[in-house]
Amino acid sequence: NAGVTQTPKFRILKIGQSMTLQCAQDMNHNYMYWYRQDPGMGLKLIYYSVGAGITDKGEVPNGYNVSRSTTEDFPLRLELAAPSQTSVYFCASSFPQDLKQYFGPGTRLTVT
Amino acid sequence: AQTVTQSQPEMSVQEAETVTLSCTYDTSESDYYLFWYKQPPSRQMILVIRQEAYKQQNATENRFSVNFQKAAKSFSLKISDSQLGDAAMYFCAYSGTYKYIFGTGTRLKVLA
Repeated sequence: NAGVTQTPKFRILKIGQSMTLQCAQDMNHNYMYWYRQDPGMGLKLIYYSVGAGITDKGEVPNGYNVSRSTTEDFPLRLELAAPSQTSVYFCASSFPQDLKQYFGPGTRLTVT
Repeated sequence: AQTVTQSQPEMSVQEAETVTLSCTYDTSESDYYLFWYKQPPSRQMILVIRQEAYKQQNATENRFSVNFQKAAKSFSLKISDSQLGDAAMYFCAYSGTYKYIFGTGTRLKVLA
């Protein structure tokens, strides 16, 4: 099992550009999550999904969009990148029964 | 709304000694999970230990154990026989259903 994979590992964007962060899991988890971690801070939930076709906003959804067309994939779309979106982004997944989250390695995004 | 508070931004411990990291939370829910995650310099989020609120017995995982005080809404992590590899950021997290709330973290330094 590869677990939770994220691409890319690093990315630099110019203000106003758009991009998609990819996330995939091969553990057949129902729940998937996107977090951002700003320097020296904990993780904040951007969006989550409890199954294919079902997504909902977390704590900090502004400036982001998600989709969940399959159980395995949960891409995060950044539209019109802003410097405030400079952060490390983590994808995670879990089963509903125990909520143990498995995290991807993260994507470091810089917007300049 | 639920909150998670870690009041110790940084802690130090001598190798082979014991250290306790503090976490308090606030919730009106009766059924929930609490977690401790470790984030080493590699940035990978690693689950250390999990506690189910309905279980009175404190969870243990090898050298890691928790002191769960439900009435006081306290969830501390004890690391025994500290090792150099324990040096990391430690995050306390709460989950009532499928959404997680993370604390701001405690940086643990292990002194040789």
